Amino acid sequence: GQQLNQSPQSMFIQEGEDVSMNCTSSSIFNTWLWYKQEPGEGPVLLIALYKAGELTSNGRLTAQFGITRKDSFLNISASIPSDVGIYFCAGPDVTSGTYKYIFGTGTRLKVLA
Amino acid sequence: DVKVTQSSRYLVKRTGEKVFLECVQDMDHENMFWYRQDPGLGLRLIYFSYDVKMKEKGDIPEGYSVSREKKERFSLILESASTNQTSMYLCASSTTGKTQYFGPGTRLLVL
Repeated sequence: GQQLNQSPQSMFIQEGEDVSMNCTSSSIFNTWLWYKQEPGEGPVLLIALYKAGELTSNGRLTAQFGITRKDSFLNISASIPSDVGIYFCAGPDVTSGTYKYIFGTGTRLKVLA
Repeated sequence: DVKVTQSSRYLVKRTGEKVFLECVQDMDHENMFWYRQDPGLGLRLIYFSYDVKMKEKGDIPEGYSVSREKKERFSLILESASTNQTSMYLCASSTTGKTQYFGPGTRLLVL
């Protein structure tokens, strides 16, 4: 199925560094969702964005809904070892008139202590 | 706190067995989904339901069926399990166009 373009695919960073990842689409979105998934677990919702230009924080995480409605960014400040996991973006596929969601390809984050 | 629960975290079944995976949500969401997740393939939609007794095929429905008799419960059925159905199965629920919440997943091994 259709996917969102997410970059980078993977990141190796030192503990304490800031992390930035983004998601882009060829079509507009009305909602952007960011999830984190750890091995063997289901995705956990981190941040939900509902309005173009919206900037929302959840602890050390900050996400933005792009003005064009075709992209979104997730930043993690002062990374810690438990930030390790796969982060992916998602949004409801409203342009196709269905209730389905489209998912990004994921960013695999590894934090070196 | 929102909650999507799945009946099992791990299941081991034999080829040809009938397998039931159950999902319950407590958020009064109208939409419920079943995905499977395999390394390198991402999340793939098997079936979804937008109302009680309503269902629609996703991208990979072959070999699966679903049942939604109550709003809060969505079941995935493998009529005759095969080894290529070994996977992580994820249930999710949502209000249309809004946030989708996932369950913890069921890791199914078919021998």
